[in-house]
Amino acid sequence: DQQVKQNSPSLSVQEGRISILNCDYTNSMFDYFLWYKKYPAEGPTFLISISSIKDKNEDGRFTVFLNKSAKHLSLHIVPSQPGDSAVYFCAASEMDSNYQLIWGAGTKLIIKP
Amino acid sequence: NAGVMQNPRHLVRRRGQEARLRCSPMKGHSHVYWYRQLPEEGLKFMVYLQKENIIDESGMPKERFSAEFPKEGPSILRIQQVVRGDSAAYFCASSPPRGAGQPQHFGDGTRLSIL
Repeated sequence: DQQVKQNSPSLSVQEGRISILNCDYTNSMFDYFLWYKKYPAEGPTFLISISSIKDKNEDGRFTVFLNKSAKHLSLHIVPSQPGDSAVYFCAASEMDSNYQLIWGAGTKLIIKP
Repeated sequence: NAGVMQNPRHLVRRRGQEARLRCSPMKGHSHVYWYRQLPEEGLKFMVYLQKENIIDESGMPKERFSAEFPKEGPSILRIQQVVRGDSAAYFCASSPPRGAGQPQHFGDGTRLSIL
């Protein structure tokens, strides 16, 4: 039973344009959501997070949007740069589960020059 | 990924041997998490530890797997009598003492290969 789903295994975007990565979840108890970026042979790197009391959080080129009613969040990267090419993971947690992270399967983002 | 140190980066074992994976958390972090990643999948939670305590091991197989985080030294994930299905990347993460909005920071993982 996948509680966090990233339905697009890959996404290709032109350099300079906006990249939009999507994530859906099923557990309404999740109260904290994170996006991580991962390069091959490295560990995930934390990018940005959002708590369930907010619907938007912005950090430089990265913005995360949360739609609780739809159980959906998205990561916007604008403008996209070649160094953004990586696998992006969405993760979610709830306070009552000791904040263990439940992960999506990842979306591979390819930025075309 | 600076700060969370995992070793070894690669570990090769034959079936039936023991595998020991080490993780030193970031300075100031007292919470350690272990995750396993199979190819083409997301990370799967295994265990959550604080110093000298296992807080949540709901994701760890009941047999052959154990974890510890002693008062001194790194956290250890131990797999006894390894089988081919244990081949995976094992990631350790650490976080500061519990508080809302504390992201976990990851090491670069140990890639375990079972021959």
